[in-house]
Amino acid sequence: AQSVTQPDIHITVSEGASLELRCNYSYGATPYLFWYVQSPGQGLQLLLKYFSGDTLVQGIKGFEAEFKRSQSSFNLRKPSVHWSDAAEYFCAVGGRGSTLGRLYFGRGTQLTVWP
Amino acid sequence: DTEVTQTPKHLVMGMTNKKSLKCEQHMGHRAMYWYKQKAKKPPELMFVYSYEKLSINESVPSRFSPECPNSSLLNLHLHALQPEDSALYLCASSQGTVSGNTIYFGEGSWLTVV
Repeated sequence: AQSVTQPDIHITVSEGASLELRCNYSYGATPYLFWYVQSPGQGLQLLLKYFSGDTLVQGIKGFEAEFKRSQSSFNLRKPSVHWSDAAEYFCAVGGRGSTLGRLYFGRGTQLTVWP
Repeated sequence: DTEVTQTPKHLVMGMTNKKSLKCEQHMGHRAMYWYKQKAKKPPELMFVYSYEKLSINESVPSRFSPECPNSSLLNLHLHALQPEDSALYLCASSQGTVSGNTIYFGEGSWLTVV
């Protein structure tokens, strides 16, 4: 069965510092992987996705993520964080076969940015 | 334009009321979804419509009744809800439910049941 683990519930970084949010997945085949961001009181916005090909994926707002099959990971990175990046970040894996149409979410990582 | 529009943004209803949440997309997507999200939790799938037919119901109580009048619209009819149903309800859409389709979310409707 598909599952996603985000080990860090809450991360705090200073503005301008680099960021890495961890995501590990469990899946029996090539996964479809997503990172979404949710600002307070808002819906989910897609940051980036991985379907196949180049394992380093570029997204919006200066974010990137690297797919590492050997580690079953899809970590999200940003070289320099801005105060507006403070939000909840969700990693998700897309279902296949009998679970088509489903997204399996991690529990989320809350990012706080200090000025 | 990847936009899913939900109305109303906020809804307060009593346990005996009947209300509806509405969702609209004009991206030509043929799959639409309802998710429920409680505070500090990830979204939980409720229903999936594919080509205007209900394809997934995640054992949601019958007090929630989805409706897909056409390929652009998705409604969620609410009746006799409980306070624990208070949550953010997210609508989403994708080109199809085939693997690899990106799911785009709306801003959500905040529901409070009193």
